[in-house]
Amino acid sequence: DIVMSQSPLSLPVNPGEPASISCRSSQSLLRSRGYNCLSWYLQKPGQSPLLLIYLGSTRASGVPERFSGSGSGTDFTLKISRVEAEDFGVYYCMQGLQTPITFGQGTRLEIK
Amino acid sequence: QLLESGGTLVQPGGSLRLACAASGFTFSSYTLSWVRQVPGKGPEWVSSVFQRSSGKHYADSVKGRFTISRDDSKDMVYLQMNSLRDDDTAIYYCVKDREDDGIWEFDYWGQGTPVTVSS
Repeated sequence: DIVMSQSPLSLPVNPGEPASISCRSSQSLLRSRGYNCLSWYLQKPGQSPLLLIYLGSTRASGVPERFSGSGSGTDFTLKISRVEAEDFGVYYCMQGLQTPITFGQGTRLEIK
Repeated sequence: QLLESGGTLVQPGGSLRLACAASGFTFSSYTLSWVRQVPGKGPEWVSSVFQRSSGKHYADSVKGRFTISRDDSKDMVYLQMNSLRDDDTAIYYCVKDREDDGIWEFDYWGQGTPVTVSS
């Protein structure tokens, strides 16, 4: 199974400041066509997870431009250029290369 | 939209069938999956069914006990859960794959249905 590891697990941030979350996979998520099988999700309390980024760096429909995904192979990063109040919650990375599909432990973005 | 139903309290060893009603997209063109989550923990993928039921995948933790199925005539996906254990307790989400491109990405999630396995 592919193991996904996120860091940090908790990230206190002031609104208006940038934030960065790291995700590492135990094996490469790069497919032959150059796509990275890595997606990012945000889960707010009491809600279902929401897709933010897919293919490692493509923003999902309706996701603000302050969110960006980067990385390739085994190392990926989600960045928020300026955190807004609606961004607080738990962020998960997920590998979509093969089953079993696996998620990172989650990073809790909280107000400092 | 994905709307789950069927979650409830069940005794260990019991059975339960979850259902998910889909709308707003061409149901038959997409892979559908079930993902579960214990409150306070990360999501855990459970099972997936491809277009036209051409393939099914299961997590090792549920293989042999759970069965996923779909009815494209009704835009429904199901999860039959047998021999339920305490550690199957979770919120079960129905999720849609973003695109039929061989890469798993979940672009729509239902609101979830809670399953509690306890005596």
